[in-house]
Amino acid sequence: EPEVTQTPSHQVTQMGQEVILRCVPISNHLYFYWYRQILGQKVEFLVSFYNNEISEKSEIFDDQFSVERPDGSNFTLKIRSTKLEDSAMYFCASSRRGGQGFNEQFFGPGTRLTVL
Amino acid sequence: DQQVKQNSPSLSVQEGRISILNCDYTNSMFDYFLWYKKYPAEGPTFLISISSIKDKNEDGRFTVFLNKSAKHLSLHIVPSQPGDSAVYFCAARLNTGGFKTIFGAGTRLFVKA
Repeated sequence: EPEVTQTPSHQVTQMGQEVILRCVPISNHLYFYWYRQILGQKVEFLVSFYNNEISEKSEIFDDQFSVERPDGSNFTLKIRSTKLEDSAMYFCASSRRGGQGFNEQFFGPGTRLTVL
Repeated sequence: DQQVKQNSPSLSVQEGRISILNCDYTNSMFDYFLWYKKYPAEGPTFLISISSIKDKNEDGRFTVFLNKSAKHLSLHIVPSQPGDSAVYFCAARLNTGGFKTIFGAGTRLFVKA
């Protein structure tokens, strides 16, 4: 069964460094998402992406964040200059469609980002 | 941001009985409501959804009820099984041209054998 994959499973970085989190969505899916979950808190929406552009983003997704689909398979989240409060589990998700009807989002296993 | 609230952090139920997980919301613009299940070290897994124009949706052992006037939804699991033990997230989709999904804090369900 197709699944969303994410690499690495755990990333440790120093404050101020750039990180890139990688995701491979399900191959025939067209909509892509990033979420994060700070330890002990709720899952928070960051951004949705369709047709090579951001379709929706949250207040969390500021200028320090960017997303890219550099080729036909990868979907990346870049944090330019990490802060301690960026430490969280980051989930990628994809859906076949994203239109008016409901379209199930399939989540990856997450990347745990630790900023020291 | 408390648009989706799950007020019970945990729930314990005996195997074979009904589990009822509750969720309240504040935003009338949500167009779909969703339930996700999450095991440790895994991403959330979609369980069941309901459109804001419906009041019930059923899929096997899982039924979601929506009460729009009370801005309340619930997930019923009957019969509960030990494998159902997980964290259950209520979520709601906001259609603002793009789509944003807002999650509740989750309820940890323990199903005792």
